[in-house]
Amino acid sequence: GESVGLHLPTLSVQEGDNSIINCAYSNSASDYFIWYKQESGKGPQFIIDIRSNMDKRQGQRVTVLLNKTVKHLSLQIAATQPGDSAVYFCAEGANYAGNMLTFGGGTRLMVKP
Amino acid sequence: DVKVTQSSRYLVKRTGEKVFLECVQDMDHENMFWYRQDPGLGLRLIYFSYDVKMKEKGDIPEGYSVSREKKERFSLILESASTNQTSMYLCASSLVPGPNTEAFFGQGTRLTVV
Repeated sequence: GESVGLHLPTLSVQEGDNSIINCAYSNSASDYFIWYKQESGKGPQFIIDIRSNMDKRQGQRVTVLLNKTVKHLSLQIAATQPGDSAVYFCAEGANYAGNMLTFGGGTRLMVKP
Repeated sequence: DVKVTQSSRYLVKRTGEKVFLECVQDMDHENMFWYRQDPGLGLRLIYFSYDVKMKEKGDIPEGYSVSREKKERFSLILESASTNQTSMYLCASSLVPGPNTEAFFGQGTRLTVV
């Protein structure tokens, strides 16, 4: 899920399959995590968030999993649709930092019909 | 419905020009942010403001300044635009620390400096 250099990681899935997008975060003191979706030509949109006192949270077709031991966050999208094609960013924040968000590099999800 | 509005979707400016990017939010949020987004680098924080007339440097403030004269408006200023400031600029706002601290984003301004 994290970007390396100038290359955006890409995940290609078949329509109807489940997607899993991963993110490794850096700050062990982070206590708030968000997933954003950014479609081409638009600003990022909130998808789902999770606090550090939880390890799983579900929304509509999306689930976020948090593993604090290895500082890993994942976004699962059920029954992926063409409209899910976008770049997905994870963000971490910490109360001591005024909940300032630090963003990962993003992962591009491409859904094949 | 929450709204963060950036004044321009696309801008083309010449090297050396002074450039103003405007952002307005209608959610009465205390925090406002300016990010730039470049391929493969994600969102990088330029400046943020947690109250009127208050500002703090982010990760990459060089070449930029900001202005927050009113709670709802946060302006990003490029004092003398350079080609390496060609980028997508995103404004965001959020509440002070609390149960909901997600940031709401504008649609972005794609700036090209020639």
